[in-house]
Amino acid sequence: QVQLQESGPGLVKPSGTLSLTCAVSGGSISSSNWWSWIRQPPGKGLEWIGEIYHSGSTNYNPSLKSRVTISVDKSKNQFSLKLSSVTAADTAVYYCARSPAATYYMDVWGKGTTVTVSS
Amino acid sequence: EIVMTQSPATLSVSPGERATLSCRASQSVSSNLAWYQQKPGQAPRLLIYGASTRATGIPARFSGSGSGTEFTLTISSLQSEDFAVYYCQQYNNWPGVTFGPGTKVDIK
Repeated sequence: QVQLQESGPGLVKPSGTLSLTCAVSGGSISSSNWWSWIRQPPGKGLEWIGEIYHSGSTNYNPSLKSRVTISVDKSKNQFSLKLSSVTAADTAVYYCARSPAATYYMDVWGKGTTVTVSS
Repeated sequence: EIVMTQSPATLSVSPGERATLSCRASQSVSSNLAWYQQKPGQAPRLLIYGASTRATGIPARFSGSGSGTEFTLTISSLQSEDFAVYYCQQYNNWPGVTFGPGTKVDIK
């Protein structure tokens, strides 16, 4: 079955850019699914960041849109997140997830990766 | 943006008892509502989608109901592994899904 694995630096300096990658295994990123990033600050709830389709179409959370870029690399079967101008408020566990074709709930999640913004 | 609220924030239940969790949307989301379970240090797990359809492998003791703005997740007989935080999520207003703040179910 499809599995997702996040990777990237665990520590980012304030005003820097957070960069994460989600590797998709057990299935093709070019299937009819949307691929999302969601985050969870320590002790808090879930916040949807944005999503991408294998064609490159994206949708972003309006509250983060000016700082977020999500891209796809079909040759590597992975997708990526870049979040610029980070502050301590961006410290969170970052999850990647899949939404099945023509639906927008998340049925497969990665285990998550913790990113801390600190100097 | 559709705002999701959940109540109660914490629910204390004894093993074997029934748990009823509520989720409300600030405007109608039809039946485009999902429930997730999250245990400490783990990713969320999809329980229910379409307000009432159990995801693959989810035990029958979990059931969802509701439509429009009012939704309920019921756990008919709590097992030890069910103590966790539960989130609802609307996906009617796509793009732009939103989650509720969560209900923590702990041991009474």
